[in-house]
Amino acid sequence: DIQLTQSPSSLSASIGDTVTITCQASQDISNYLNWYQEKPGKAPKLLIYDAYNLETRVPSRFSGSGSGTDFTFTITSLQPEDIATYYCQHFDNPITFGQGTRLEIK
Amino acid sequence: EVQLVESGGGLVQPGRSLRLSCSASGFTFGDYAMSWFRQAPGKGLEWVGFIRSKTYGGSSEYAASVKGRFTISRDDSESIAYLQMNSLKTEDTAVYYCSRGRIIVIGRDAFDIWGQGTMVTVSS
Repeated sequence: DIQLTQSPSSLSASIGDTVTITCQASQDISNYLNWYQEKPGKAPKLLIYDAYNLETRVPSRFSGSGSGTDFTFTITSLQPEDIATYYCQHFDNPITFGQGTRLEIK
Repeated sequence: EVQLVESGGGLVQPGRSLRLSCSASGFTFGDYAMSWFRQAPGKGLEWVGFIRSKTYGGSSEYAASVKGRFTISRDDSESIAYLQMNSLKTEDTAVYYCSRGRIIVIGRDAFDIWGQGTMVTVSS
């Protein structure tokens, strides 16, 4: 099974900051990585698919990059509504998620 | 509006069964694979299983933690996916979400629509 190691597990940043989260796969997964946002009490939301493709109606301050085993998720100009937990995810059998990164406002 | 609504959660004793439903609206349900995920209290997201669309055979896959105990089925005429959970354990306590799998390329989906979840508590 492919393991996804996400870091950091938690992050505190100020409004307007640029935030970066990394996700490392245990083996080469090409660009087959998605990113989700989960707010407390709400369903997860797809933000990025296939490493760098922005989902429809997702603000352009969210972006993704990487391929192979190393991936990066970035939020530029952090907004208050971005407070959430973010997960990377790979589609295989089994489908796997990173452990999540909890983002807080400093 | 494209929407998924889960139902059927509740409190159940260990060893008993429960069936969750996921009602879809706003899209052609039969064209999509449907997946179930869960999130235990204070924990991350965990995949439970999925069922392919009839176009791709309608077969299912399951996480090792639930294989042999949980079964996913679908009724395309009613736009409903089901998660039948048998022999429930305390560690199955979680919020259960259903999600639509949008095909990125054949054999690989992204989960673009999610329900709000239904809580399942397994306790004596």
